[in-house]
Order: sequence, then C-alpha cells, then structure tokens
Amino acid sequence: GAGVSQSPSNKVTEKGKDVELRCDPISGHTALYWYRQSLGQGLEFLIYFQGNSAPDKSGLPSDRFSAERTGGSVSTLTIQRTQQEDSAVYLCASSPTTGTNEKLFFGSGTQLSVL
Amino acid sequence: RKEVEQDPGPFNVPEGATVAFNCTYSNSASQSFFWYRQDCRKEPKLLMSVYSSGNEDGRFTAQLNRASQYISLLIRDSKLSDSATYLCVVSRRGSYIPTFGRGTSLIVHP
Repeated sequence: GAGVSQSPSNKVTEKGKDVELRCDPISGHTALYWYRQSLGQGLEFLIYFQGNSAPDKSGLPSDRFSAERTGGSVSTLTIQRTQQEDSAVYLCASSPTTGTNEKLFFGSGTQLSVL
Repeated sequence: RKEVEQDPGPFNVPEGATVAFNCTYSNSASQSFFWYRQDCRKEPKLLMSVYSSGNEDGRFTAQLNRASQYISLLIRDSKLSDSATYLCVVSRRGSYIPTFGRGTSLIVHP
C-alpha cells in the first residue's frame, strides 16, 4: 500500500523566502508528526496532530514556523522568511494509534537548503 | 542531561560478529521503547519494539532494564546490510511524542 508521501523531495530557496512543505500520510492514520534532522544530528520534534484535536506545537523553533492539517489528512509545514539555519531534512511521519505506544511510519523527507 | 542518549560510534565490526548497543533514558516515567534503523540519506524505519520481557526477531534481540533506565540492541551474525544508524526511541507515559536519540552508527565490513 501507499506509504507517507512528502513533496517536494528537494527544495532550494534563498534566505528570506517562504517555503511550504507537504505531507500526505497513510490513509486512516490519525496521528501526524513533523520532525527535522540536520546533518549528522538526531531528529528534532516540531509539531504533532491527532485527529481533530488542537496540535501540539511545542517543538516549533520560532514563530516563523507553522503547520496545518486539513480534513485530518494532508499537512503543510510553512517556514516564513527562511534562514540558513533552517537548512535540514524535514521528515513527516504518521501513526495509526491513538495511544502512547506510537509506531511511526516516515516519509522520505524534504531536503531544504537555504542559500 | 539529554532525555535519550546513545554512543554515536561508529561501531566497526567484521561480518559475522556480534555487536551490542545501549541507550540510556533519563525520565523514569518512560513507558514505550523502540529501535529504529536509518540508512544513509533515508528515512528512519521501525526495527523493533522493546518489551519489558525482552524480545527477539531473528538475529536481533532487544532488552529493557527499567532499574538502570537503559535499553539494548544485540545483533548476532552481522551482515554487510546491517550497516546503518540505529536510533533509540522513547515515549513518556501520557505523551504522544516519541523522543529520538541521535543514533549509533554501525559499519559492518567484509
């Protein structure tokens, strides 16, 4: 079956521009996560969506970052006025469970490069 | 202290060797534990869950030590294809957000 789909796979942008990253989770998965991973670093949690509940935004590094999830399915992560330190791989994951025993299925990520 | 800590390695072992990684966690309220595998330039993929009683999947064995707050992953008869970064993942009770360690790099050579 179809896995988590992310687009674009690569994005090169200039400092100060806005970017939108898209995630299409596995059908039926209620939980959706955004993480980012800088070169040689671990995964940094950004935001979590669960069904129609208010998202957990506690990991967003600044107010330049925002995300939405429409209709409980597709999610868009927006970064405004990009900075060079925003360069990273942005990973989306979905999970079928509503409990705390989360098993995450990741997309292949968007490599963001800010020049 | 980081919530989840791993030795970054790399662990460089010959084919056929047995290798073990540990991962320590700081929050005693942690209740769910996993090992993920991440190949170079790829996304993480679930390798196995870690249960209190320990669990085994083929050449892979995972164990949990709650008293000392660590989990372990043992790989027997290493294959070249086992070369990857192994991520330790922990979820706290009442939290839906798994915390990832920075990973341990394994290189299996001929």
